[in-house]
Amino acid sequence: DAKTTQPTSMDCAEGRAANLPCNHSTISGNEYVYWYRQIHSQGPQYIIHGLKNNETNEMASLIITEDRKSSTLILPHATLRDTAVYYCIVRVGDAGGTSYGKLTFGQGTILTVHP
Amino acid sequence: KAGVTQTPRYLIKTRGQQVTLSCSPISGHRSVSWYQQTPGQGLQFLFEYFSETQRNKGNFPGRFSGRQFSNSRSEMNVSTLELGDSALYLCASSLAPGIHGYTFGSGTRLTVV
Repeated sequence: DAKTTQPTSMDCAEGRAANLPCNHSTISGNEYVYWYRQIHSQGPQYIIHGLKNNETNEMASLIITEDRKSSTLILPHATLRDTAVYYCIVRVGDAGGTSYGKLTFGQGTILTVHP
Repeated sequence: KAGVTQTPRYLIKTRGQQVTLSCSPISGHRSVSWYQQTPGQGLQFLFEYFSETQRNKGNFPGRFSGRQFSNSRSEMNVSTLELGDSALYLCASSLAPGIHGYTFGSGTRLTVV
């Protein structure tokens, strides 16, 4: 699985958009970009994933550059409850690969939303 | 629907003992993965089970083992506990391996003294 690079920490004001970048310059053609977050003392929570097109769901938007070497997770209106560690993960997204359920977590980005 | 249930939530064991942790996946989910989380190493993949078979394994010693039952519930066992095994052990379930979204439980906090 491709390695990802994320900033160690970021701050965001409540109500503003939080834009979390992720670099994955060695991503392969069949690898998806996944985002999870972990709020203190809880298990990671799936947020969103994408292959090459931009994606949006009720939680966030995922913007993937055309060359797929980087992506940005956007929380449109951050709240205090969005304070968490955000993980960007790249892995094969189908059952044909050998990675199966293995999610390789890096250190993630600590997002702090302040009033 | 009920989420991923892990029991117990907290556990204190003595070095040299063994421990068994349990995970009940979301109803209908047949894949169960286990992770260890420590402050120093972060989240690390232990193994994944699907249809009662281990499909993938991380880089952990043989003291760490697991199994999955016909109802998809899973257990992991750690024998001859070491102080370094103190960690949060997380279980995640999905419909099948490779399916995109994994739902994690709240974990079992194991302390080895």
